[in-house]
Amino acid sequence: GNSVTQMEGPVTLSEEAFLTINCTYTATGYPSLFWYVQYPGEGLQLLLKATKADDKGSNKGFEATYRKETTSFHLEKGSVQVSDSAVYFCALSPNAGGTSYGKLTFGQGTILTVHP
Amino acid sequence: DGGITQSPKYLFRKEGQNVTLSCEQNLNHDAMYWYRQDPGQGLRLIYYSQIVNDFQKGDIAEGYSVSREKKESFPLTVTSAQKNPTAFYLCASSRRTGNTGELFFGEGSRLTVL
Repeated sequence: GNSVTQMEGPVTLSEEAFLTINCTYTATGYPSLFWYVQYPGEGLQLLLKATKADDKGSNKGFEATYRKETTSFHLEKGSVQVSDSAVYFCALSPNAGGTSYGKLTFGQGTILTVHP
Repeated sequence: DGGITQSPKYLFRKEGQNVTLSCEQNLNHDAMYWYRQDPGQGLRLIYYSQIVNDFQKGDIAEGYSVSREKKESFPLTVTSAQKNPTAFYLCASSRRTGNTGELFFGEGSRLTVL
């Protein structure tokens, strides 16, 4: 079956530090890949996505590249802010385009805390 | 603004009681989902519905029930058969076709069993 593995947290950084959160996946076919972010006490919001190999998703200074050869979708940001403190989830959808019904497989989440 | 509304935000239940969590969306999405979130375990799919009057079990449906009588609404009932119901419950929706899998989430309901 499908699975997503994220690096274990929590991750604690100082403001303006470089961030990497690793994500690898196991899936058949050509899944779509996502990063969702959850701020304290809230639901999840889509941060970025990529639907095919070598695609780069980007948003709010965050980036992730869909690497089929290494089955990875690592999240990066060059300079984090205190406001980036949240839980980050990597996820995959088994169908790339077409009639995907949101049956996402999520990683366990990585807690990020950024200090001033 | 379009979005998903979940209520209540916090709910306490005694053992042996059923409780119903509300989820309403005004995004005109056909598909709706319920996920359960536990610390360190990510999100797990409970039930999903692609169209009105139809729904399917997800990975952890035991002890839960749903209905989909209207496009906008997808309530979740946590029954007394659910052995460990304390968790954070998230409702989501998506378009049914032309969809790469992106979900739109509500703000969640936290259920605590006393």
